Amino acid sequence: QKEVEQDPGPLSVPEGAIVSLNCTYSNSAFQYFMWYRQYSRKGPELLMYTYSSGNKEDGRFTAQVDKSSKYISLFIRDSQPSDSATYLCAMSGAGNNRKLIWGLGTSLAVNP
Amino acid sequence: DTAVSQTPKYLVTQMGNDKSIKCEQNLGHDTMYWYKQDSKKFLKIMFSYNNKELIINETVPNRFSPKSPDKAHLNLHINSLELGDSAVYFCASSPSGRQAYGYTFGSGTRLTVV
Repeated sequence: QKEVEQDPGPLSVPEGAIVSLNCTYSNSAFQYFMWYRQYSRKGPELLMYTYSSGNKEDGRFTAQVDKSSKYISLFIRDSQPSDSATYLCAMSGAGNNRKLIWGLGTSLAVNP
Repeated sequence: DTAVSQTPKYLVTQMGNDKSIKCEQNLGHDTMYWYKQDSKKFLKIMFSYNNKELIINETVPNRFSPKSPDKAHLNLHINSLELGDSAVYFCASSPSGRQAYGYTFGSGTRLTVV
C-alpha cells in the first residue's frame, strides 16, 4: 500500500461547478498537509497547507483534513477554466529535515 | 524576477552521455532539492541539501551526483545516461523551519535520452 493515495483522474467539470479532490494516507505520523497546483510544463506551486486537523479557506479554495479517517480534501468553488491543472497532495511528519510524501496528482479540466 | 531557475529547460541527448543541470535560487532559502517527475506525473525526491550539506539521499543510482557549491546553488550531474532517465527534473527550495510546506519549484528541465 502506498503511503499516499490519490486518484489521478482525469476529472472534467463545467465552469462554475464545485470540485472535490481527495487523498488518503496511511501514516498516522503525518502532521502537515499540502495541496500543490501544477500547470502543464510548469513546476508545482503551493496552493494551501494545513497543520493537523481542521479546515482552511482561501478565496474559492477550502482544504480539509480528517486525521481520524486519514483523509484530506481540497474543494474548489465556482471553478474556472484557469483552474485546469494537476493538483497534487503532499504531506509530512514533524521534526527536522522532514520529507514530503506526494500523491500522484489529479488532472482537472474545467470546461467553459 | 525568477525565484528558482533551472538550466537548461530542455535537454535531448544520446544514451551513454554525461550531462549537467544547474539550479539557482534567489529567495535566501537554506534547503534545496532535486525531484524527478516521470511520465505519470509522480514526483520523487532524489536529493536534498541544507546549507550545502546533503541531508536526503534517496535510492538513486550513483550515476547521479548532486553538488552544492553554496546554499543558493544545487547542480545535478548525470553520468552514462540511460533511456529510463528520461523525465522532468525539478529543482526546489525551502526556508529553514518551513521545510514541510514552504517549497518553491523551478519550471523543470525536460530530459530526453535517445
